[in-house]
Amino acid sequence: VQLQESGPALVRPSQTLSLTCNVSGASISSTGYYWSWIRQSPGKGLEWIGYISNTGNTNYNPSLKGRLTMSSDASKNQFSLQLSSVTAADTAVYYCARLVTIVQTLNPWGQGSLVTVSS
Amino acid sequence: QSVLTQPPSVSGAPGQRVTMTCTGSSSNIGAGYDVHWYRQLPGTAPKLLIHTTDRRPSGVPDRFSGSKSGTSASLVITGLQADDEGDYYCQSYDRGRQSYDSGLTGSLVFGGGTKLTVL
Repeated sequence: VQLQESGPALVRPSQTLSLTCNVSGASISSTGYYWSWIRQSPGKGLEWIGYISNTGNTNYNPSLKGRLTMSSDASKNQFSLQLSSVTAADTAVYYCARLVTIVQTLNPWGQGSLVTVSS
Repeated sequence: QSVLTQPPSVSGAPGQRVTMTCTGSSSNIGAGYDVHWYRQLPGTAPKLLIHTTDRRPSGVPDRFSGSKSGTSASLVITGLQADDEGDYYCQSYDRGRQSYDSGLTGSLVFGGGTKLTVL
């Protein structure tokens, strides 16, 4: 199973950050797995963003307070993240990962995509 | 401020044993949820090291072991080697935070990470 993030590396403040994670080697519609986003600000630790289930239900980090939307496209076997009204604090490496629901582990992870919020 | 607390750094000489701790609360580790550990090398994505508190994925040597007691968990590395250096993160599930969106509740939570230095 491999995951690969893609999207713009630079986003302007107040705009919307959009990333897509392409999944290969597994179907995002399979039971037993959810599809997650995690981010890591420069020099900082990991922050769980949220996940989308195999049936399209979502669960977001409350700290993102309505700025977050996740979606999925089973026909393309990919899922996406949109974070609106971004600020410099949203500058981070964004990772997508598969959540194994029975044990709540994240495995595997994508290589990560650095997104910088700057004018 | 991470939900799970880890010491910022630990160190040890080659061949020694080191212990990293991960302290949570009654809504996550203390509620009985499993703890998982990830190792992150510079410039790379985190990789699952220990899952379900004390289980090693295939390929992880038995020098790495995990345990849990009460609201805390520990990762022990014996026979320390130079290439064990990196950042180690614990992760669990927290039932105390309501999802912003409907359908799924609870959150994945991480520790702030511990940097391991081999002297």
